[in-house]
Amino acid sequence: GAVVSQHPSWVICKSGTSVKIECRSLDFQATTMFWYRQFPKQSLMLMATSNEGSKATYEQGVEKDKFLINHASLTLSTLTVTSAHPEDSSFYICSGNPGGPDTQYFGPGTRLTVL
Amino acid sequence: SQQGEEDPQALSIQEGENATMNCSYKTSINNLQWYRQNSGRGLVHLILIRSNEREKHSGRLRVTLDTSKKSSSLLITASRAADTASYFCATDGGSNYKLTFGKGTLLTVNP
Repeated sequence: GAVVSQHPSWVICKSGTSVKIECRSLDFQATTMFWYRQFPKQSLMLMATSNEGSKATYEQGVEKDKFLINHASLTLSTLTVTSAHPEDSSFYICSGNPGGPDTQYFGPGTRLTVL
Repeated sequence: SQQGEEDPQALSIQEGENATMNCSYKTSINNLQWYRQNSGRGLVHLILIRSNEREKHSGRLRVTLDTSKKSSSLLITASRAADTASYFCATDGGSNYKLTFGKGTLLTVNP
């Protein structure tokens, strides 16, 4: 099946710093990628939809200036958490869609801890 | 926004028993999917059922969909300890294939 990787798998950073998370589709071209956030013992909340070559579409309540998304190629999307704070500590998961209404392929997630 | 609601929120059973989880949603859908997540890990896609389908099987999994009631159920038969995980339903109801996830059911299968 299709594989999506994320890097890093976990990261610890100091408050006020920025962190970049990469999401790669390894064996398919993802015209659309999605970024989700999951707090402990909660469900996945969609943060934004990333389309290759265009600006990301953010869900209501998600600050676009804080969570910068770049989808520069059909196999790579990045999420940068700018000026991270402890409340940004979460599990961030991306997914890629090769086109069509069927299954999205999810990455393994990145655990961010902000001290 | 989260439109899927699973129940129960937590389910504890013995190995060999069947486990049934339910999901309700609010808007029209193209399809409904079930995912599994082991603690602290990524999502594993289990099964997809389209809006024009009523039942689907995959191994020990059986999924039903009732669009008139806007609900779905996931049945895991002959459960195993390795089935211990959180299970989420997700609906694809609009354009751009966005998924809306339910709150999940934490299944514990005791050996």
